[in-house]
Amino acid sequence: GAVVSQHPSRVICKSGTSVKIECRSLDFQATTMFWYRQFPKQSLMLMATSNEGSKATYEQGVEKDKFLINHASLTLSTLTVTSAHPEDSSFYICSAGPAGIGSGANVLTFGAGSRLTVL
Amino acid sequence: GQQLNQSPQSMFIQEGEDVSMNCTSSSIFNTWLWYKQDPGEGPVLLIALYKAGELTSNGRLTAQFGITRKDSFLNISASIPSDVGIYFCAGRPNTGNQFYFGTGTSLTVIP
Repeated sequence: GAVVSQHPSRVICKSGTSVKIECRSLDFQATTMFWYRQFPKQSLMLMATSNEGSKATYEQGVEKDKFLINHASLTLSTLTVTSAHPEDSSFYICSAGPAGIGSGANVLTFGAGSRLTVL
Repeated sequence: GQQLNQSPQSMFIQEGEDVSMNCTSSSIFNTWLWYKQDPGEGPVLLIALYKAGELTSNGRLTAQFGITRKDSFLNISASIPSDVGIYFCAGRPNTGNQFYFGTGTSLTVIP
């Protein structure tokens, strides 16, 4: 089955530093990947849609300059939390989107998540 | 973005009991997905549904795509302790590539 690898699984950083999280589709190509943020005991909050070869589409209220997304290849999307602050501490999860409507691959496969703690 | 209505929000049940949860949307969907998330992990796909009225099973789990295309149901039969976790529904409308998520159902199984 489809596998999405997310790295790192945990990261602790000092306030003001930047942190990069990688999301890779291991056995399929993903033209679209999604980035979510999840607070304890809450649902997934979509932050942005990462599109290969073009700019990411951000959800309302998500700062583009704060959460930089790059989708340079069909198997890799990265999320960089710039100048991280304690309020950015959260669980970040990526997923790889379906190959296309009617393709038969109409599911979302999630990475294992990345726990960010900003001191 | 749109969030689906998922209920119940939480459940505390005895081992061996059956569980039912559902999701509803205000618009028509062409895909319904059900996921389970363990603490500190990413959601794992349980069942995918693509046709109105479709009923699909995965072991003790059964999910249905509502005939109105605006809802979906997940049932777990004879619950066991390892069923503990948060269950999410996800749906995709007819237009666009976007999936929307339910608010989650937290399941606790008491041995």
